[in-house]
Amino acid sequence: SQTIHQWPATLVQPVGSPLSLECTVEGTSNPNLYWYRQAAGRGLQLLFYSVGIGQISSEVPQNLSASRPQDRQFILSSKKLLLSDSGFYLCACTTTREKLFFGSGTQLSVL
Amino acid sequence: SQQGEEDPQALSIQEGENATMNCSYKTSINNLQWYRQNSGRGLVHLILIRSNEREKHSGRLRVTLDTSKKSSSLLITASRAADTASYFCATDVGGTSYGKLTFGQGTILTVHP
Repeated sequence: SQTIHQWPATLVQPVGSPLSLECTVEGTSNPNLYWYRQAAGRGLQLLFYSVGIGQISSEVPQNLSASRPQDRQFILSSKKLLLSDSGFYLCACTTTREKLFFGSGTQLSVL
Repeated sequence: SQQGEEDPQALSIQEGENATMNCSYKTSINNLQWYRQNSGRGLVHLILIRSNEREKHSGRLRVTLDTSKKSSSLLITASRAADTASYFCATDVGGTSYGKLTFGQGTILTVHP
């Protein structure tokens, strides 16, 4: 079955610093990949999704960007973090489009 | 705006009791899914129900879907302390958005031993 590796688990960054979160997938090929953000005590907001290498769709205007340099690698980036970028970031994948597998998440605190 | 909205926001019960969570949504869907999240962790898929289905079972889980009311419910029978978690419904409207889920705000379930 699919396994998603997401790191780091926790990250504290100053405002204005860059960000790079990486997600890799094992056990499947050509998955759809997603980045979600979860505010404390809230539901998930879809940020980006990708159906293939180099194919990225942005769901909301924001300070973040995503890239997919390899089939099973999905990267979330920012050039300059804002306070409002704080949150719990989750990478997810699917090959059936009917069941998402999630990574364990990265808790980002921007101070 | 969020497609799915859960009710109640929080639910506290004793072990052995049943837990019922409700989800309402706004637009037509292809399927509706329920996920579980333990504190500080990723989500785990529980069950999927398609728009042409009315009820589905998986172990101690029972999901119903009423497309006329745009609502779904998740029933956990004979709850256990290990069921303590947040539960989210997620809708898939299908078409060009197939596979892109919209999540509700979740229900926090606490099961006391």
